[in-house]
Amino acid sequence: AQSVSQHNHHVILSEAASLELGCNYSYGGTVNLFWYVQYPGQHLQLLLKYFSGDPLVKGIKGFEAEFIKSKFSFNLRKPSVQWSDTAEYFCAVNAPGNNRLAFGKGNQVVVIP
Amino acid sequence: EPEVTQTPSHQVTQMGQEVILRCVPISNHLYFYWYRQILGQKVEFLVSFYNNEISEKSEIFDDQFSVERPDGSNFTLKIRSTKLEDSAMYFCASSEQAGGNQPQHFGDGTRLSIL
Repeated sequence: AQSVSQHNHHVILSEAASLELGCNYSYGGTVNLFWYVQYPGQHLQLLLKYFSGDPLVKGIKGFEAEFIKSKFSFNLRKPSVQWSDTAEYFCAVNAPGNNRLAFGKGNQVVVIP
Repeated sequence: EPEVTQTPSHQVTQMGQEVILRCVPISNHLYFYWYRQILGQKVEFLVSFYNNEISEKSEIFDDQFSVERPDGSNFTLKIRSTKLEDSAMYFCASSEQAGGNQPQHFGDGTRLSIL
């Protein structure tokens, strides 16, 4: 079974600071990787996804993530955060041919103006 | 942008009662899902549904749960004889096609509180 780990559940930082959220998964085969964001009072929205190809993927709102196969990681980054990036961020994984998403516990990010 | 809509946003039910959570997936999507998130825990997969039948379910999805597509637009999750531990946020999702590389689009969720 796939499992996903996200650390540092609560992150507080100031505007213009850089953000990096770690995501590690345990699954031996090929995986599809996702980051979702949930802004306060809103639904989960897809930030970015990785299926194959260039391991550095760019998503919406200036976010990017890097897939490192040897480390079973898919960390999310943003060089300079804004107050509007305050949200909860979820890493999710599934295997090709498998419909279910396995989610991490999420990172609650608060950006202070 | 088309959205998945869920009703109600909050449901309060007495333990032992039946509850039906409703979802309207994105109109051209063919695959539907239910997930739940118990407070403080991970979002967990419950079930996926395609072509009027369950395509995959988790160990959580026992006989207490059922899903249905009663018409061309709604997708429902029924919980029979609710228990206190069913209190959670329930998310519906849909995708255009199956397969792990198809993004799932989520609704706002229904907060279910069992008393």
